[in-house]
Amino acid sequence: GAVVSQHPSWVICKSGTSVKIECRSLDFQATTMFWYRQFPKQSLMLMATSNEGSKATYEQGVEKDKFLINHASLTLSTLTVTSAHPEDSSFYICSASGGIQETQYFGPGTRLLVL
Amino acid sequence: KNQVEQSPQSLIILEGKNCTLQCNYTVSPFSNLRWYKQDTGRGPVSLTIMTFSENTKSNGRYTATLDADTKQSSLHITASQLSDSASYICVVSAGQAGTALIFGKGTTLSVSS
Repeated sequence: GAVVSQHPSWVICKSGTSVKIECRSLDFQATTMFWYRQFPKQSLMLMATSNEGSKATYEQGVEKDKFLINHASLTLSTLTVTSAHPEDSSFYICSASGGIQETQYFGPGTRLLVL
Repeated sequence: KNQVEQSPQSLIILEGKNCTLQCNYTVSPFSNLRWYKQDTGRGPVSLTIMTFSENTKSNGRYTATLDADTKQSSLHITASQLSDSASYICVVSAGQAGTALIFGKGTTLSVSS
């Protein structure tokens, strides 16, 4: 299957700082990338969908000014958690697909801990 | 409301034994159903994908079934191994374009020696 990487794999930051998470498709062009958040023992919750070169579409209840998404190329999308607070601590997972109807391949996830 | 329900919530079995995980869904319109394996602290990895017309799909020791009439799916794991310990997530794609993914909460499987 296709390979999707995330960086960093884990990050600890102070409250009020911003954190950037990268998602890369290593062996295919990802027209569409998705960002999810997963709390312990919970399902993955879709945060936003982004298409290369256009603005991301955010799910209801997700603050677009807090979770900045940039999908500048067909192999890279970034999620920036701005002014992070302890309640933002979670497991963030991205996925990438070659098209809106194509299989999503998930990255390994990034664990964020905000102190 | 589109929903995916999985059972049991957790399961403990001995190495070498078989087990079956269940997934019931109320998703319309249905596009496809996937089973994912998610190791702790890792992203989900696809095991199988089935469309409306497919009844069964195998991937090594994993066999998934789909009954589109009753809207039920199962994942059967044969001759379990310690490495099978993980969360197994049933995901149903909704909509004509299959763009909306509805995730189940997963079944946590623990295989012990």
